[in-house]
Amino acid sequence: AQSVTQLDSQVPVFEEAPVELRCNYSSSVSVYLFWYVQYPNQGLQLLLKYLSGSTLVKGINGFEAEFNKSQTSFHLRKPSVHISDTAEYFCAVSGPRSNDYKLSFGAGTTVTVRA
Amino acid sequence: GAVVSQHPSWVICKSGTSVKIECRSLDFQATTMFWYRQFPKQSLMLMATSNEGSKATYEQGVEKDKFLINHASLTLSTLTVTSAHPEDSSFYICSASQGGEQYFGPGTRLTVT
Repeated sequence: AQSVTQLDSQVPVFEEAPVELRCNYSSSVSVYLFWYVQYPNQGLQLLLKYLSGSTLVKGINGFEAEFNKSQTSFHLRKPSVHISDTAEYFCAVSGPRSNDYKLSFGAGTTVTVRA
Repeated sequence: GAVVSQHPSWVICKSGTSVKIECRSLDFQATTMFWYRQFPKQSLMLMATSNEGSKATYEQGVEKDKFLINHASLTLSTLTVTSAHPEDSSFYICSASQGGEQYFGPGTRLTVT
């Protein structure tokens, strides 16, 4: 079984500053990794995903993440945030072609961007 | 592409009544759909995996007789909360699987009074 730990529950950040959201996973098999964003009272929107290949993954809205197998991490970064990036961010993991691609989510990180 | 809708977006019902939530994949066929529950300020908890034409697979601790799931077609799965109680009030989100990725609906806010 897979599990995800998001190391930061809340991350306050000033506009135009960089942000990093940390995610560690545990799994006995190779995995797929995802970052989702959730705005208030909405569903989840995929920011980016790692399935295979290059460990540096670029997503939407200027976000990127790096898969580090040795450290079992998949940290999310953005070099310059906007007020509109204020949201809840979830890291998730699924096993490839197993369990019908069931996702296990981290607890979430609340990002608050201030002017 | 890969759009998932949910209906209704919010619903208020009285304690003891049942409420049905629909999840539709609008532009693709999904043999597998998932139902999640999310409490305020918390993460998504998988409730069940819904497979078209077969019984749903429920996660441990989820009452299958209370949360009835039907996946009658490749584009529609329904979740019925039976005999709802205030503690069932939550945000329910569905997702549909395609190509190894899940696409999420916008969620349904259920309030039981």
